[in-house]
Amino acid sequence: AQSVTQPDIHITVSEGASLELRCNYSYGATPYLFWYVQSPGQGLQLLLKYFSGDTLVQGIKGFEAEFKRSQSSFNLRKPSVHWSDAAEYFCAMEGGSQGNLIFGKGTKLSVKP
Amino acid sequence: EAGVTQFPSHSVIEKGQTVTLRCDPISGHDNLYWYRRVMGKEIKFLLHFVKESKQDESGMPNNRFLAERTGGTYSTLKVQPAELEDSGVYFCASSQGLAGVPQYFGPGTRLLVL
Repeated sequence: AQSVTQPDIHITVSEGASLELRCNYSYGATPYLFWYVQSPGQGLQLLLKYFSGDTLVQGIKGFEAEFKRSQSSFNLRKPSVHWSDAAEYFCAMEGGSQGNLIFGKGTKLSVKP
Repeated sequence: EAGVTQFPSHSVIEKGQTVTLRCDPISGHDNLYWYRRVMGKEIKFLLHFVKESKQDESGMPNNRFLAERTGGTYSTLKVQPAELEDSGVYFCASSQGLAGVPQYFGPGTRLLVL
């Protein structure tokens, strides 16, 4: 069955530290993959997307993600976290039917000063 | 360019009442999606419109939920009668093109059924 797994429910990092949020997917082929962020009181904002080609994709706000087919992973990274990055992050995959997205459960990021 | 908008932002109703949620997609986007996040669970797909036609409504939980998209512009999602388990955040998203991605999401409507 198609699924997206985000193994970390909650992560706390210090401001200025690096960040990696994990995402694994289960799909029969190479899916379209996305990372969204939801800041408190806000909607879902698209951070970045992977369709094909270069496996390292750059997004907004200094985020990047790397697609690794061998590991069925699409981990999100940022070299230096800012306090404003505190939010909930969702990994998603296109489910094969004209864009219906399958989401992971989300990872809540807290940033320590 | 305006993003996806949703109304209301919050709604508190009693069990058995009716609630109608509205979504205005980004202008020119033919694809419109509804998703729901029940507390503690993942965001789940409800249905997909292409213009005014329902392309996929496999995620609709039961016949208490009715979605419409008259004229292929804004969409409404009606819950009648509402039950306690309908509480959650309802997101709308829109996109262009046949592939349907990427999708741009609205801020969501937080529904609480008491």
